Amino acid sequence: RKEVEQDPGPFNVPEGATVAFNCTYSNSASQSFFWYRQDCRKEPKLLMSVYSSGNEDGRFTAQLNRASQYISLLIRDSKLSDSATYLCVVRQYNFNKFYFGSGTKLNVKP
Amino acid sequence: DGGITQSPKYLFRKEGQNVTLSCEQNLNHDAMYWYRQDPGQGLRLIYYSQIVNDFQKGDIAEGYSVSREKKESFPLTVTSAQKNPTAFYLCASSIVGVRDGYTFGSGTRLTVV
Repeated sequence: RKEVEQDPGPFNVPEGATVAFNCTYSNSASQSFFWYRQDCRKEPKLLMSVYSSGNEDGRFTAQLNRASQYISLLIRDSKLSDSATYLCVVRQYNFNKFYFGSGTKLNVKP
Repeated sequence: DGGITQSPKYLFRKEGQNVTLSCEQNLNHDAMYWYRQDPGQGLRLIYYSQIVNDFQKGDIAEGYSVSREKKESFPLTVTSAQKNPTAFYLCASSIVGVRDGYTFGSGTRLTVV
């Protein structure tokens, strides 16, 4: 079983739509959680950390459910520039290792 | 500005050659990592290092080697034993034991010719 699993998509949505991605992780010892954005042929860039109480950054909202071991990312009012692959990442302190999901591709269309 | 620098951006390797990818950071991060990404796939960990002169194998270390002689530098050598080296290679760094994410370099795209 993979450490982190994501729906690969693609999610094809019109501009202005609200879209949500989910990610599940297998190791309950995971302690930090992140969403990264990766544009085609570029390096991943940190979009936001995910906190236990949930957090929001503009149009982006991240949620963590430790009991069910999943993380979500909600994007409101999608823009064309949101088109990218979104990677779910979990970190385990004991081994200072990060585990990546394979990414969910989002296409926002005019 | 602090960051991670990977070089070269593009690299072409002939069959049977060893090549070395450079990764330098000035963020004063303790931990450094090498990942490989194949088209349409996620990142796979090759090697990582949490301290100078120490490193551990990741999930796909066969055919690769690394060194960590300086805190700032973590070069990756792709040896001739790596049978399918064409991929996008990403170097990353992080602070050990802190709830921060990675910082990535801009990557090296390696192609076997």
